[in-house]
Amino acid sequence: DQQVKQNSPSLSVQEGRISILNCDYTNSMFDYFLWYKKYPAEGPTFLISISSIKDKNEDGRFTVFLNKSAKHLSLHIVPSQPGDSAVYFCAASGYNFNKFYFGSGTKLNVKP
Amino acid sequence: DGGITQSPKYLFRKEGQNVTLSCEQNLNHDAMYWYRQDPGQGLRLIYYSQIVNDFQKGDIAEGYSVSREKKESFPLTVTSAQKNPTAFYLCASSIQDREQPQHFGDGTRLSIL
Repeated sequence: DQQVKQNSPSLSVQEGRISILNCDYTNSMFDYFLWYKKYPAEGPTFLISISSIKDKNEDGRFTVFLNKSAKHLSLHIVPSQPGDSAVYFCAASGYNFNKFYFGSGTKLNVKP
Repeated sequence: DGGITQSPKYLFRKEGQNVTLSCEQNLNHDAMYWYRQDPGQGLRLIYYSQIVNDFQKGDIAEGYSVSREKKESFPLTVTSAQKNPTAFYLCASSIQDREQPQHFGDGTRLSIL
């Protein structure tokens, strides 16, 4: 039973354009969400997070949007760069949870 | 330079053999985690430990064992009872605050000979 879902296994975007990666969750108790970036043969690295008290969090080119009513979050990368090509995982946790639930990842390819 | 070190990077196991994957961190984190990643799937939690000498099963603990004798170390043993051990294994650590991200090692790829 996957509580965090990333329904797009891959996404291809032209350099300079916007990349939008999506993530859906089913557990209404989740209140903290993160995005990780992963290059091949390396561990994931933390990118950006958002608490459920917010609906948006920005960090440079990266913005995460949270729609609690839809149980949906998205990561926007503007402008996209070839170095952004990686697999992106979303993860969720909640009060009284002592672990994170991860989505299956979306492989982003930014074409020069 | 603080971080998490996993070794070896590649590991091969013979049928019926137990193997141990190493995970060491010098971030002074209390919590440590082991995940398994299979192609096209997310990270699935095997075991986690929030404090020395204590650990809990994750979602797919069968066929695995762990120990947490030191704060810095959280080795994972893949036993012969794990019938499909070929995967990419990731170790992570974090401080005891659920709104803090986990820091990951670079992983160990385990294959069956």
